Amino acid sequence: GAVVSQHPSRVICKSGTSVKIECRSLDFQATTMFWYRQFPKKSLMLMATSNEGSKATYEQGVEKDKFLINHASLTLSTLTVTSAHPEDSSFYICSARVQGVDTEAFFGQGTRLTVV
Amino acid sequence: SQKIEQNSEALNIQEGKTATLTCNYTNYSPAYLQWYRQDPGRGPVFLLLIRENEKEKRKERLKVTFDTTLKQSLFHITASQPADSATYLCALARGTYKYIFGTGTRLKVLA
Repeated sequence: GAVVSQHPSRVICKSGTSVKIECRSLDFQATTMFWYRQFPKKSLMLMATSNEGSKATYEQGVEKDKFLINHASLTLSTLTVTSAHPEDSSFYICSARVQGVDTEAFFGQGTRLTVV
Repeated sequence: SQKIEQNSEALNIQEGKTATLTCNYTNYSPAYLQWYRQDPGRGPVFLLLIRENEKEKRKERLKVTFDTTLKQSLFHITASQPADSATYLCALARGTYKYIFGTGTRLKVLA
């Protein structure tokens, strides 16, 4: 299957700093990527849909100025958590789909963010 | 609002038995439903997709059913093995690329 690589897998940062997470589709082009957040023993919560060459679409309740998304190429989307606070600590996961509506999504391995 | 419910409690079964996981949804009419496996600290891995006009789908030891009248999908693992222990997520979508995920069911297969 298609491969989505997410980096870094773990990051610890200080409060007030910004953290960038990368999501790459390694062997296919992804015009759309998705960013999720997952709390322990909870479901994946869709944060935003990242569209190549245009602005991301954010879900209700997700601060776009807090979670900056850039999808500059067909194989790379980035999520930047700005001015991080301890409550931003979570597991962030990206996914991408091969062209076509009813196809499976391929997920990155996730990034564990800890803000201290 | 749309809601997806999976067995919230962990499911423990003996090796060799069939594990059956449930996914129920309300206020939604998905065009297709997918099942994913997630191991601790990892991203989900796709297992099976079933469309609204399909009743059943199989892949090796896995079987998925989709009942749009009951608004329910069942996920079966036959001849279960300890390596099947993981959290299994169902996800629904319709007409867009966006998925709605259930909370997942943690399966533990005992040797």
